[in-house]
Amino acid sequence: GNSVTQMEGPVTLSEEAFLTINCTYTATGYPSLFWYVQYPGEGLQLLLKATKADDKGSNKGFEATYRKETTSFHLEKGSVQVSDSAVYFCALTKVGDTGRRALTFGSGTRLQVQP
Amino acid sequence: DARVTQTPRHKVTEMGQEVTMRCQPILGHNTVFWYRQTMMQGLELLAYFRNRAPLDDSGMPKDRFSAEMPDATLATLKIQPSEPRDSAVYFCASGLVLGQGLTEAFFGQGTRLTVV
Repeated sequence: GNSVTQMEGPVTLSEEAFLTINCTYTATGYPSLFWYVQYPGEGLQLLLKATKADDKGSNKGFEATYRKETTSFHLEKGSVQVSDSAVYFCALTKVGDTGRRALTFGSGTRLQVQP
Repeated sequence: DARVTQTPRHKVTEMGQEVTMRCQPILGHNTVFWYRQTMMQGLELLAYFRNRAPLDDSGMPKDRFSAEMPDATLATLKIQPSEPRDSAVYFCASGLVLGQGLTEAFFGQGTRLTVV
């Protein structure tokens, strides 16, 4: 079946540091890949997405490239801010044998940015 | 500003009581999901609907949970009877499925349920 593996957190960085959160996936065929962010007390918000190999999703300074050869979709940001502190979820969706199209989430990675 | 609306935001109830959580999906979306989030299990898919029809509820404990969509503007998740282990944040999400793919899913702010 489909699965998503994320690096364990928490990830603690100083403001303006470079961020990488690793995400790898297992799925047959060509899934669509997503990064969601959850701020404290809030629901999940879509941060960026990519629907085919070599696509780069980007938003608010965050980027992730769909790498089919390594089955990865790592999240990066060049300079983090305190306001980026949140939990980040990698997710995928694809049509499985049963026609399911629900999102499969990773376990989430908590990011803490210190001033 | 289109958004998924969930009510109530918080619910504290006693064990054995019935709990009903409601969700108003974004107008025009054809897919609704219910997820449960806990520290131990993370995000778990409980059920999802396409065009108001239940497609998969294999993630729900059938003896006490039920999910319905009485109309296109309302999805409900009920727990009867509730148990302390049901304490979690329950999220509703809606999305649009076109062709072979889900374009994206929009989440509500969740219902934080505490069963004492």
